[in-house]
Amino acid sequence: DAMVIQNPRYQVTQFGKPVTLSCSQTLNHNVMYWYQQKSSQAPKLLFHYYDKDFNNEADTPDNFQSRRPNTSFCFLDIRSPGLGDAAMYLCATSRGRGRTEAFFGQGTRLTVV
Amino acid sequence: GESVGLHLPTLSVQEGDNSIINCAYSNSASDYFIWYKQESGKGPQFIIDIRSNMDKRQGQRVTVLLNKTVKHLSLQIAATQPGDSAVYFCAENKANRDDKIIFGKGTRLHILP
Repeated sequence: DAMVIQNPRYQVTQFGKPVTLSCSQTLNHNVMYWYQQKSSQAPKLLFHYYDKDFNNEADTPDNFQSRRPNTSFCFLDIRSPGLGDAAMYLCATSRGRGRTEAFFGQGTRLTVV
Repeated sequence: GESVGLHLPTLSVQEGDNSIINCAYSNSASDYFIWYKQESGKGPQFIIDIRSNMDKRQGQRVTVLLNKTVKHLSLQIAATQPGDSAVYFCAENKANRDDKIIFGKGTRLHILP
């Protein structure tokens, strides 16, 4: 059974048109992460939540925002997607605080046209 | 600054031989390390982890070695099979201080028939 679920698997959006990617988990984990992964590169951490505490990476562009309305759901909002934002976006969860084995979803591949 | 890197971007191994994938890290504050396997079009999958109070940890067909003196870890895969073809990432975490999981660059493992 899928434990970290990302929807949709593939998303096409227009240049400059806001888009939201979603992630849900059935693990009841405290931490949820969003990573950006471009072709042949490592996943790059954008931000993460411990419960409702938001932790932004210093180099994450302001164009990227996140929301976590409850334990199970987390959203990635891209306010004005540019061509350079085309990538795979990965959501992950962990229990956190020294128990940081992370479980990943299958990702959402974003195309910007 | 923090960085986790890999020595070789691509590794080709004969089916049935052992594979060794290496990783160097620079942040001596890191105390938890994870190896992930990522197949094409999928999210990273946990393989094995090791804490800094250990030098070696074994799983099914996999062994992780940690050398804190030279800030190096390796993943050994015994009797490599076609299903082992993937990109392998090491990742680091400061388990008792924050929940961030930072990925290294990745090594693509090719299995030769």
